[in-house]
Amino acid sequence: SAVISQKPSRDICQRGTSLTIQCQVDSQVTMMFWYRQQPGQSLTLIATANQGSEATYESGFVIDKFPISRPNLTFSTLTVSNMSPEDSSIYLCSVDIRNRGGNEQFFGPGTRLTVL
Amino acid sequence: AQSVTQLGSHVSVSEGALVLLRCNYSSSVPPYLFWYVQYPNQGLQLLLKYTTGATLVKGINGFEAEFKKSETSFHLTKPSAHMSDAAEYFCAVSEFTGTASKLTFGTGTRLQVTL
Repeated sequence: SAVISQKPSRDICQRGTSLTIQCQVDSQVTMMFWYRQQPGQSLTLIATANQGSEATYESGFVIDKFPISRPNLTFSTLTVSNMSPEDSSIYLCSVDIRNRGGNEQFFGPGTRLTVL
Repeated sequence: AQSVTQLGSHVSVSEGALVLLRCNYSSSVPPYLFWYVQYPNQGLQLLLKYTTGATLVKGINGFEAEFKKSETSFHLTKPSAHMSDAAEYFCAVSEFTGTASKLTFGTGTRLQVTL
């Protein structure tokens, strides 16, 4: 298993500013994922972050808006740039762990972002 | 491409009644299937998963799900609901890419448990 922490847990930000969300894992993992959960909706994958290489973004998400860093095997950041109220969401990171039963994703507690 | 459909965005049951949350999937490869639960203001917690082998899988908190390939379904059940089961439940299908799993989530079902 994996224990994942995120900072901040929540924030209220002004339109046009940027926020960097941190994700820390208690073990070394190859793949980390960033998801967005808009109010009342399901999770949508933003990007996959592999240590030592550029993140891979899903359709509808771009690096200029959501730059990601992955400096080592236990840490990643997601920045939400030039924010607008439409960016108000919960942002979650997850890690993929291979165990006896196959691969399994563990999720952080999420960062609740409100943009005014 | 893979997709998940959860029938019913809201389900309400009485305490002690059967819980049935429906999930149908589409996948071009043998799927890995998951149910996650999200309690208010918390992250996602894995309830159970199906990868290979026995099609009836048991999870935490008395939940179980059955993989039915012919029906492309993975419905979640619990014989007797408890008030603490009130939460949002997400079904997900995984595409294993060789080194990691990429999850596609359903839209979620909010379970309400009444006295």
